[in-house]
Amino acid sequence: NAGVTQTPKFQVLKTGQSMTLQCAQDMNHEYMSWYRQDPGMGLRLIHYSVGAGITDQGEVPNGYNVSRSTTEDFPLRLLSAAPSQTSVYFCASSYSRPLDGELFFGEGSRLTVL
Amino acid sequence: AQSVTQLDSHVSVSEGTPVLLRCNYSSSYSPSLFWYVQHPNKGLQLLLKYTSAATLVKGINGFEAEFKKSETSFHLTKPSAHMSDAAEYFCVVSDLRNNNAGNMLTFGGGTRLMVKP
Repeated sequence: NAGVTQTPKFQVLKTGQSMTLQCAQDMNHEYMSWYRQDPGMGLRLIHYSVGAGITDQGEVPNGYNVSRSTTEDFPLRLLSAAPSQTSVYFCASSYSRPLDGELFFGEGSRLTVL
Repeated sequence: AQSVTQLDSHVSVSEGTPVLLRCNYSSSYSPSLFWYVQHPNKGLQLLLKYTSAATLVKGINGFEAEFKKSETSFHLTKPSAHMSDAAEYFCVVSDLRNNNAGNMLTFGGGTRLMVKP
């Protein structure tokens, strides 16, 4: 019973490098999202998807791209890493838009940009 | 626009004593409210939710929260703290009428609960 799986758990990048954070869920959830967590700021939504082929921007989308080619996978791409993107990233999913339902979170990916 | 304020960034209690984590919200309409818990190096887990039914909501691990519309509060309580309750807790508000339907959740800044033996 894997739930939401994120890889890698830790990553160190140099400024300007690119990388992809992977997220996969095995619960057949339509809604998937990426958040970043910074101290004292709670979680902020980066991008989300309400189904395969559909993505939209959240609160802090700049510097990130996403795609949703399958129901299961929702990768987050950093195009040109900056120190301001040092953060902990969480992928979360739910059966539908998370108004009343429960969001299921991965264990997080800790990214450091030097 | 909706917002959430967690009034304490850190709370320290002794094992066996009551826990109170405070949350105030602002919402233009009738919100749904949630508490999530995050144990060290783990993802967030839903603790409890209020969705316009009973104002006193019971969650997992003995936690409960009371929705008070007049005070715009949704404080989290537990009668007796356990060492395993040490974690970070997030209050979250969801507004049905948020125009951006996919971005309906607003997270508070978090409260770190420490439990002393």
